[in-house]
Amino acid sequence: GAGVSQTPSNKVTEKGKYVELRCDPISGHTALYWYRQSLGQGPEFLIYFQGTGAADDSGLPNDRFFAVRPEGSVSTLKIQRTERGDSAVYLCASSFEGNTEAFFGQGTRLTVV
Amino acid sequence: GQNIDQPTEMTATEGAIVQINCTYQTSGFNGLFWYQQHAGEAPTFLSYNVLDGLEEKGRFSSFLSRSKGYSYLLLKELQMKDSASYLCAVNTNAGKSTFGDGTTLTVKP
Repeated sequence: GAGVSQTPSNKVTEKGKYVELRCDPISGHTALYWYRQSLGQGPEFLIYFQGTGAADDSGLPNDRFFAVRPEGSVSTLKIQRTERGDSAVYLCASSFEGNTEAFFGQGTRLTVV
Repeated sequence: GQNIDQPTEMTATEGAIVQINCTYQTSGFNGLFWYQQHAGEAPTFLSYNVLDGLEEKGRFSSFLSRSKGYSYLLLKELQMKDSASYLCAVNTNAGKSTFGDGTTLTVKP
């Protein structure tokens, strides 16, 4: 596609529920990143994929968070047993390589009530 | 740990020049990004400095000193549309970048 696409744009869920956030990167980009951003703060790194594999998942806060990219294109961020503290904008980005200009999607605003 | 500092807010006048500073202390360094983020929108790439010195790109320039752990973004001929948050980010390890909390720039007429 023309840019990085994230769905849904907004998600409201109840505490304890499971959610999936989808990211469709720019075609041909091998690197894909997930960040989350809270109001007034910069994006916080979660995980980085190079192709199908997670090259660096050191930013995932705990084992409730998991991400996959099975075919090296679309990625899904999965959050189990959501907590109110998980509320944030989840940003996905992609790039040709791991340390070049990243193109961000519009994000998914997750609200846990 | 990783530490990236930038001023929280700055105000400047339309047509003027403004310099946004960023200092960093990180465990790794591959390069330094600057991104622009308008309220409610995604960050957009402005520059990436790997080597020391000044890189100019139109009205925007970015400077890096690796020995001092310091960078700045220089915006010339400010326009109202430049009102946004400016994010400094250090690429610390392959695909991992650590972001500062951003500097909110307000341009006044």
